[in-house]
Amino acid sequence: SQTIHQWPATLVQPVGSPLSLECTVEGTSNPNLYWYRQAAGRGLQLLFYSVGIGQISSEVPQNLSASRPQDRQFILSSKKLLLSDSGFYLCAWNTGTGKDTQYFGPGTRLTVL
Amino acid sequence: GQQVMQIPQYQHVQEGEDFTTYCNSSTTLSNIQWYKQRPGGHPVFLIQLVKSGEVKKQKRLTFQFGEAKKNSSLHITATQTTDVGTYFCAGVKAGTALIFGKGTTLSVSS
Repeated sequence: SQTIHQWPATLVQPVGSPLSLECTVEGTSNPNLYWYRQAAGRGLQLLFYSVGIGQISSEVPQNLSASRPQDRQFILSSKKLLLSDSGFYLCAWNTGTGKDTQYFGPGTRLTVL
Repeated sequence: GQQVMQIPQYQHVQEGEDFTTYCNSSTTLSNIQWYKQRPGGHPVFLIQLVKSGEVKKQKRLTFQFGEAKKNSSLHITATQTTDVGTYFCAGVKAGTALIFGKGTTLSVSS
């Protein structure tokens, strides 16, 4: 069966520090991968998605970046965090044309102080 | 661009009352999906509707897809405290990714 992992589960970082969040998927190959951010009490904001290794589409220009170094690994990064980067970061995957059900990871709760 | 609007944003009900959330798209959707996110958790897939006018039921939950495939609704009959959470609809975006609505957060008091 397929599983999706995210770490860390929670993170507290000072403003201006770098960020690296990791997401890995097991049990499937060539998944579509997604990064979402959810501010407290708000909806899901799609940040990046990837249909293959090295292929990244950005939905919202900001100080975040994403990379996909391996088929089932998706990384969200920042060189300098802002207060507004606080939120709940969710990784998700699906297969096929991208219209299929998305399966979400447990998320990383990031607080920038 | 293509948008998926969801209303209401928040809804509070007494246990046993019914609840409905509505989802509207600016363009025709090929399918629509519904997800539930419990407080502190991550979104979990509930159901997918594909056909025009389709109605699907999961116990006390009834999902409908409009005839024009531009709107959808989720109705919960006789809510329970276990129904609390945020319900998201998601429509297919031209290209790859789903477009999620902003969600309806349901709270239930006993």
